[in-house]
Amino acid sequence: EIVLTQSPGTLSLSPGERATLSCRASQSVSSSNLVWYQQKPGQAPNVLIHSASTRATGIPDRFSGSGSGTDFTLTISRLEPEDFAVYYCQHYGGSAYTFGQGTKLEIK
Amino acid sequence: QVTLKESGPVLVKPTETLTLTCTVSGFSLSNARVGVSWIRQPPGKALEWLAHIFSNDEKSYSTSLKSRLTISKDTSKSQVVLTMTNMDPVDTATYYCARISLPVGDFDYWGQGTLVTVSS
Repeated sequence: EIVLTQSPGTLSLSPGERATLSCRASQSVSSSNLVWYQQKPGQAPNVLIHSASTRATGIPDRFSGSGSGTDFTLTISRLEPEDFAVYYCQHYGGSAYTFGQGTKLEIK
Repeated sequence: QVTLKESGPVLVKPTETLTLTCTVSGFSLSNARVGVSWIRQPPGKALEWLAHIFSNDEKSYSTSLKSRLTISKDTSKSQVVLTMTNMDPVDTATYYCARISLPVGDFDYWGQGTLVTVSS
């Protein structure tokens, strides 16, 4: 069973700064099945990036995804106030889904 | 407009069986390009996938909870039902249903979630 490890656990940044969030898989996975979500307090998650690097419909281009094999990255180029939230990576494979433990992006 | 809505008890006692219903609209459960999953989130903790079901009735379960879970669907009612047996206080969580979009496999639409508390 694949384990996804996200780092850091908490990231403290200021609006306008660049955020880099990491997701590491316990074994090599297909980029096609790597997804990133954003979750704000009291809300369900919202898909940001699928297939490791494809932005979902309506997602601003300040969000980008990259990576392959075991190492994946979500980058937010210039933080807006509404971007402070928890971010999860997720993988689908072998008829099972796995989520990372999340990275909390907080205002510094 | 795609929507999913969870319903079920807000409070269950330890050892009881939880039954949750996800009622969907805006798409059909007979659509081969979508499925429905159940996902939960204990307060302040991470998301945990529980189970999924597709139009051809293919089902899959979390390895760690497989013995306690059953997922089923009623296409005519646009409903997906999850049962979880032998509930424990550690199962206290917000339970979400979400649509799986193929071939990507992402959860593109989510319900609002329902908080289930396990307590005597």
